[in-house]
Amino acid sequence: EVQLVESGGGLVQPGGSLRLSCAASGFTVSSNYMGWVRQTPGKGLEWVSVIYSGGSTFYADSVTGRFTISRDNSKNTLYLQMNNLRAEDTAVYYCARVEGAVAGAIDYWGQGILVTVSS
Amino acid sequence: DIQMTQSPSSLSASVGDRVTITCRASQSISSSSNWYQQKSGKAPKLLIYAASSLQSGVPSRFSGSGSGTDFTLTISSLQPEDFATYYCQQSYSTPRTFGQGTKVEIK
Repeated sequence: EVQLVESGGGLVQPGGSLRLSCAASGFTVSSNYMGWVRQTPGKGLEWVSVIYSGGSTFYADSVTGRFTISRDNSKNTLYLQMNNLRAEDTAVYYCARVEGAVAGAIDYWGQGILVTVSS
Repeated sequence: DIQMTQSPSSLSASVGDRVTITCRASQSISSSSNWYQQKSGKAPKLLIYAASSLQSGVPSRFSGSGSGTDFTLTISSLQPEDFATYYCQQSYSTPRTFGQGTKVEIK
């Protein structure tokens, strides 16, 4: 059974850092297009970052230079290192698996983890 | 980035009603449109991919259609468990943008 379990969220002050983790089971992270999607009441669902099976990455303009996506193949885990956090980064963050068998849609999501940036 | 515009942003309907939600892409995306259902406090769930393919385990009252720039999600007979927010998404190009959502409420 495919599962994605996120951890690492919480409250952080502006300018601070957090690292989100997404532990995967039932499939191999490095074989899939994986990423992070965040959700806010105001901006809806937004792709933050993706990492392709080959290792290349993409970042939304709003996080470029501050966030880094990576994976640890030995732990089958996806990460999102978030630095220099801003109030507008406050959101629920979802780990997501993009699957070619469903034409590039997201077939599995994590449970979501709340990141709150506030002083 | 490709913009996905959904309409309406919300609707009220009764159990048994036929419900249609539309999504327009800012440029042609072929058939690379997906639909998700999200209930309060939960992650989105894939309903339809590639415009009209039903994801495994999703009831057949859900259907999708369209190509190019215009896409539709239809619920043929609304059930109590279908009251939720629905999102379209394009998987034609990165970033794979989402629509702003349509909230389906009980009339």
